[in-house]
Amino acid sequence: DADVTQTPRNRITKTGKRIMLECSQTKGHDRMYWYRQDPGLGLRLIYYSFDVKDINKGEISDGYSVSRQAQAKFSLSLESAIPNQTALYFCATSDRTGLEAFFGQGTRLTVV
Amino acid sequence: AQTVTQSQPEMSVQEAETVTLSCTYDTSENNYYLFWYKQPPSRQMILVIRQEAYKQQNATENRFSVNFQKAAKSFSLKISDSQLGDTAMYFCAFMKLQGAQKLVFGQGTRLTINP
Repeated sequence: DADVTQTPRNRITKTGKRIMLECSQTKGHDRMYWYRQDPGLGLRLIYYSFDVKDINKGEISDGYSVSRQAQAKFSLSLESAIPNQTALYFCATSDRTGLEAFFGQGTRLTVV
Repeated sequence: AQTVTQSQPEMSVQEAETVTLSCTYDTSENNYYLFWYKQPPSRQMILVIRQEAYKQQNATENRFSVNFQKAAKSFSLKISDSQLGDTAMYFCAFMKLQGAQKLVFGQGTRLTINP
């Protein structure tokens, strides 16, 4: 089994719908992250959490929210999806050194 | 704020050739790490190599090595004896050690190794 699991792997949704992307990890890491990947822009940080009670906005948090349900689980929600949120979304974890991030296999989200 | 720039959107070389991917960054931090991540068509992000800013010696991992020029804020990746499996997107990334440690990525370079 993968160390960092994202569900779903692919999703098509309609404008205005609420959608949740889920991430779970078996690495035992405290730190979890959500990134968005767009062509020509690389990966940009949406939210991050350094422990269960810690939630921080990244550089592009508008239109997104997160929930850290447990050390192993970190979900990303789009309350009302819009087409420019069409992207590849990655969850990642790291230990407290941050010297290696472990990524899930990504969720390709299309908003139509 | 830190920024990372990869000025080569795409590169293509023949198998067994050596290729160098460029990366520059901007920061006022003194303590930081730099990374290269690989993303093959499977979408999986894989750490290739990392460099601590305080180490003058360039990091190497088998066929992968870096040229770290701290004063110039440059961090290039050299792939020697390139293989078909090296075909991937490559992302340069920066992480400061003070305060909230999080990765800042460049735009990526799509590398194709041709047979």
